[in-house]
Amino acid sequence: AQKVTQAQTEISVVEKEDVTLDCVYETRDTTYYLFWYKQPPSGELVFLIRRNSFDEQNEISGRYSWNFQKSTSSFNFTITASQVVDSAVYFCALSNRGSQGNLIFGKGTKLSVKP
Amino acid sequence: DTGVSQDPRHKITKRGQNVTFRCDPISEHNRLYWYRQTLGQGPEFLTYFQNEAQLEKSRLLSDRFSAERPKGSFSTLEIQRTEQGDSAMYLCASSGGYEAFFGQGTRLTVV
Repeated sequence: AQKVTQAQTEISVVEKEDVTLDCVYETRDTTYYLFWYKQPPSGELVFLIRRNSFDEQNEISGRYSWNFQKSTSSFNFTITASQVVDSAVYFCALSNRGSQGNLIFGKGTKLSVKP
Repeated sequence: DTGVSQDPRHKITKRGQNVTFRCDPISEHNRLYWYRQTLGQGPEFLTYFQNEAQLEKSRLLSDRFSAERPKGSFSTLEIQRTEQGDSAMYLCASSGGYEAFFGQGTRLTVV
């Protein structure tokens, strides 16, 4: 069975702090895809990143970075120098079919960045 | 194109009534998904279309739920004989590649 666990329900930081959101996944598939989405208060899920199981290179995009470790089945997300606009619920998701089929989402981590 | 559009944004209905939601995907996106999200939870997959063909349905999609995508463009999700447990946000997403673009959802409240 596939499962995504986001153990942190809520995190609160002060602006400019770095923050890491944890994601642990379970799957028996050798080919799978991992995603992060952001859900601001408006409710619309915003795609942040997709990673396939064969690419363990860490990725950096501006203040965002992702650490994929197959050995620990983790795909953690770090925001550097957080800003108030980063406040949202962040979801990690898993799929075994890339661009098709369904995404298995974690329960999300609510991030509050205070000025 | 302004993204995935869902209508209505909010719906309040009495238990036992039927409701229908509409999703207009990004034009030329051949894949369309429906998800349901309850408070404090991540979205749960309901069903998936490639063009007009419904290729996958979750066990969550009971007999009271039906989805269509005539002509491979917009899609509708109908819930018959609504129950209080159906209260949730219903999200639609479309994709032309590996990135799925989500709409703002339809919030259903069954009273």
